[in-house]
Amino acid sequence: GAVVSQHPSWVICKSGTSVKIECRSLDFQATTMFWYRQFPKQSLMLMATSNEGSKATYEQGVEKDKFLINHASLTLSTLTVTSAHPEDSSFYICSARGRQGAFYGYTFGSGTRLTVV
Amino acid sequence: KQEVTQIPAALSVPEGENLVLNCSFTDSAIYNLQWFRQDPGKGLTSLLLIQSSQREQTSGRLNASLDKSSGRSTLYIAASQPGDSATYLCAVFGPNDYKLSFGAGTTVTVRA
Repeated sequence: GAVVSQHPSWVICKSGTSVKIECRSLDFQATTMFWYRQFPKQSLMLMATSNEGSKATYEQGVEKDKFLINHASLTLSTLTVTSAHPEDSSFYICSARGRQGAFYGYTFGSGTRLTVV
Repeated sequence: KQEVTQIPAALSVPEGENLVLNCSFTDSAIYNLQWFRQDPGKGLTSLLLIQSSQREQTSGRLNASLDKSSGRSTLYIAASQPGDSATYLCAVFGPNDYKLSFGAGTTVTVRA
């Protein structure tokens, strides 16, 4: 089945620095990947849709200059949190649409816990 | 805009009891519906995927039904175990784009 790998699992960084999170589709090609943010005890909030070879599409209210997305290949999308601040601390999860059995469904990475100190 | 609602928000049952989790969505023109499980601090694990043309899917102790016309899906977990304790999320795909619309989840606690 479709597998999505996300790294790192957790990261602590100092305020003002940038952090890069990687999302890889291991056994399938993903022209589209999705980045979510999740606050404690809340559901997932879609941040942006990452499109291979073109610009990402950001949801309303998401700062594209703060959350840089690059989808340079069919198996890799990266999210860079630039000039991170404590309010950016959150759980970030990526997903891609791949084959699950006979049909296509969404597969999620294991998530990245970002703490900005 | 698609709205997905999950009831109840939380559920606590003794081990061995059957679980019934409900999901409703406002726009019935979906392509498919997925049930996910999320453990604390972890990503999402896909449990069952139901195409819009299907009425149910089964995997082990899990069974999910879909009534597209009424905009409802139900996840049944038979003979619950403490290891079933997690948050269960329902998500629909479609009709207008390639984004998933999530419910807020049902947090399940199975007491030993």
